[in-house]
Amino acid sequence: GAVVSQHPSWVICKSGTSVKIECRSLDFQATTMFWYRQFPKQSLMLMATSNEGSKATYEQGVEKDKFLINHASLTLSTLTVTSAHPEDSSFYICSATFLAGGYEQYFGPGTRLTVT
Amino acid sequence: RKEVEQDPGPFNVPEGATVAFNCTYSNSASQSFFWYRQDCRKEPKLLMSVYSSGNEDGRFTAQLNRASQYISLLIRDSKLSDSATYLCVVNGGGGFKTIFGAGTRLFVKA
Repeated sequence: GAVVSQHPSWVICKSGTSVKIECRSLDFQATTMFWYRQFPKQSLMLMATSNEGSKATYEQGVEKDKFLINHASLTLSTLTVTSAHPEDSSFYICSATFLAGGYEQYFGPGTRLTVT
Repeated sequence: RKEVEQDPGPFNVPEGATVAFNCTYSNSASQSFFWYRQDCRKEPKLLMSVYSSGNEDGRFTAQLNRASQYISLLIRDSKLSDSATYLCVVNGGGGFKTIFGAGTRLFVKA
């Protein structure tokens, strides 16, 4: 099956610093990549949808200047949390889809971010 | 009204029990439906797609009722390893916008 990787799997950073999370599709070219955030005991919340070579579409309430998304190639998307604060601590998960795969999303293993 | 609503749970069942999860969605233009499973601190994994004709995969049966905008998942002969959160996922139509339900937690006990 299609494999999606994320790096790093966990990160601890100080308040005010920026953190970059990478999402890669390893064995397929992802038409679209999605970024989700999940707080403890809550469901996944879509943050943004990203298509290769174009600007990401952010969901309502998600600050595009704080969560920078770059989708430079069909196999790589990055999410940068700028000037992170403790309330940004969460589980960030990416997923990818490709046309032949229908609407099924293939999820990365997630990145646990802790901001101190 | 939430776009995708699921039974709140948690469901606590003994091994061998049959358990059913329900899910309703609000967008009648939705095109694709899935059940995902998520273990604690892990990413969601596709359990099965849901087709209009209903589909079965071993102990798992999924059904879709478009008229009632309702999806179900039936698990027969529950195993301890079935303990997880089950997410109802609906593709909202008109593109790739996907909506996740809040999930239903299942605990299967010996």
